[in-house]
This record gives sequence, C-alpha cells and structure tokens, in this order.
Amino acid sequence: QVHLVESGGGVVQPGRSLRVSCAASGFSFDSYGMHWVRQAPGKGLEWVAFIWFDGSNKYYGDSVKGRFTISRDNSKNTVYLDMNSLSVEDTATYYCARDWVSSAFDPWGQGTLVTVSS
Amino acid sequence: QSALTQPRSVSGSPGQSVTVSCTGASSDVGDYNYVSWYQQHPGKVPKLIIYDVIKRPSGVPDRFSGSKSGNTASLTISGLQADDEGDYYCCTTAGTYSYIFGPGTRVTVL
Repeated sequence: QVHLVESGGGVVQPGRSLRVSCAASGFSFDSYGMHWVRQAPGKGLEWVAFIWFDGSNKYYGDSVKGRFTISRDNSKNTVYLDMNSLSVEDTATYYCARDWVSSAFDPWGQGTLVTVSS
Repeated sequence: QSALTQPRSVSGSPGQSVTVSCTGASSDVGDYNYVSWYQQHPGKVPKLIIYDVIKRPSGVPDRFSGSKSGNTASLTISGLQADDEGDYYCCTTAGTYSYIFGPGTRVTVL
C-alpha cells in the first residue's frame, strides 16, 4: 500500500529555517516525481515545489522561490523541503504528494504543521 | 499564470446532482487536458477524485464525473450523499511544471 509520512513540523521564529521530511513506502520511490503542497489554516491548497524522480530538476511556486529547496534521497525513499527565511505567511500544513499520471497528486501524506511565530 | 476561479459554495439535497465549475484561461485550463479535482473532508487529507479532466482513479464512485468546455472545467456529483460534504479543489498546470489550485468550493448536503 502506498504510504507517505511527513515529519519535522513545529514552531519556528520568523527568519529562521526548518526542514520537513516525507518518507515513502509501498511503491518504487525512485520512479516518481514528488511534490510539496501546503495549506494555511482555514485556507486553500497551494503548490510549493516539485522534484523529478531522479532529483535532476526542481521547480518552485513563486511565493517560495529562492527561499525553499526541495531535495530527495532515493536510497532512503525520502523527499525533503528545506525552508529558509520563514515568515508568518509560511504557516501551514505541509503535505507531500506523489506525482501521479498527468500531473495529478496521488496519494497525499497526512501533513505536518509548520507554525512561524515569535 | 492566471488564477482559477470556483464558486465559494454549492449545495443540494440527497440524491440530487451538483456541479462545481473551475474557470481558468486559454493558457492553462483551455490549453491542456491536465485538470484534476480533489475532495477534502474537514480536517482530512485531500484525495484525488478526477484527473485528465474526465478520468476517475480506481475506487472513486462513478457518481463523480468531470468535463471541460473552453476555459472552464466542471465536476459533477450525481446522487448526492451525506459523505460528499466537504471542500473540492480543482488544479491545473500551464505545462511548465507549475501548478495552480482553485480556491476551493464547499459542497453542502442539505
């Protein structure tokens, strides 16, 4: 069964950094691209970043470009999101999702909450 | 890349049909058949219910159907059930590994 489990969320002060992780199981991780999508409390979904199956290409949403970095370790079946220069606007639940056919996101992990607050 | 627009809310009685629209631009929804839809129950994880405009993943009831006309994609839920209550998001790409979600539509079963 395909399973994604995020971790690493927590409370962080504005301007600081945080890394969140997503551990995958139940499928050939090194054959799929992976996304990060976030959802601010009470708000809608926002695509954050995407990484190719082999890590060779990475893409970012405009609101995080230059501050966030997506990476992966296929030997550990894990994708990461390094977040720098965090602001209160980055407060959200961060979901990882597999890039399925035709750029659809399936499945999603349970999410990890990142709260940026002083 | 333009934003997508969705109605804030739609409602219907059990057994009825409701349709959620998702309007984009000729450069995204109108140009690519890469529209997907996600169902999110309150406090739960989003779930893929439609991809490639009209296709359903295995396990998704055929009460859910998708379509597209011009720059507007639509999700129709037929035979509305209580468990269909929740938020529905459309998503598309403009073909440049950049993705946009609609603001979401709250579906209420009366």
